[in-house]
Amino acid sequence: DSGVTQTPKHLITATGQRVTLRCSPRSGDLSVYWYQQSLDQGLQFLIQYYNGEERAKGNILERFSAQQFPDLHSELNLSSLELGDSALYFCASSVGLGVNSGANVLTFGAGSRLTVL
Amino acid sequence: GEDVEQSLFLSVREGDSSVINCTYTDSSSTYLYWYKQEPGAGLQLLTYIFSNMDMKQDQRLTVLLNKKDKHLSLRIADTQTGDSAIYFCAESSGYGGSQGNLIFGKGTKLSVKP
Repeated sequence: DSGVTQTPKHLITATGQRVTLRCSPRSGDLSVYWYQQSLDQGLQFLIQYYNGEERAKGNILERFSAQQFPDLHSELNLSSLELGDSALYFCASSVGLGVNSGANVLTFGAGSRLTVL
Repeated sequence: GEDVEQSLFLSVREGDSSVINCTYTDSSSTYLYWYKQEPGAGLQLLTYIFSNMDMKQDQRLTVLLNKKDKHLSLRIADTQTGDSAIYFCAESSGYGGSQGNLIFGKGTKLSVKP
């Protein structure tokens, strides 16, 4: 158990629907990252939050949004789902921002597998 | 933008050494990382190396870094069937900047034959 908890583990839904993925970071970690893993694109960075604020954006679609709450858990909202959104969505956490000093060690959750039919 | 490239597959015999290679483009990368993903699981950090180092050894793992050629490799000595997994190379994209996310390669699937 990495200490990063993601729910649900599996989710099957239909095109056009909206889903919410949830992540609880490791105790003491302030940064949360969302990644999408698909067979053709590999592991793509979506977005980073630090202590409740958005800090970095990657290849996140406008149909997707995220937030980090005061208790530091984070949610990734995916709307108007398309077949191509089927993927594994990983949450990771780290202690700090990852830009000041030392290695930025990300701890990953087990992922949420989304299937859009 | 930053890019990390890896070969997609590697097959070795149990007991042999495995060498997984990676190239990256961001010359400002300060740390480079190796993660391992077993089937049905998340990514697990194996090791990382600071960019002013050439080599780092940790038990059966040896990381070599050629900063001039932007080439990173992971050597696993005495490879076991339990080492079968996908191995990801990653670089820090924003040291000294505003973002701390890692940029990952597509992963190398290591198959170990008994």
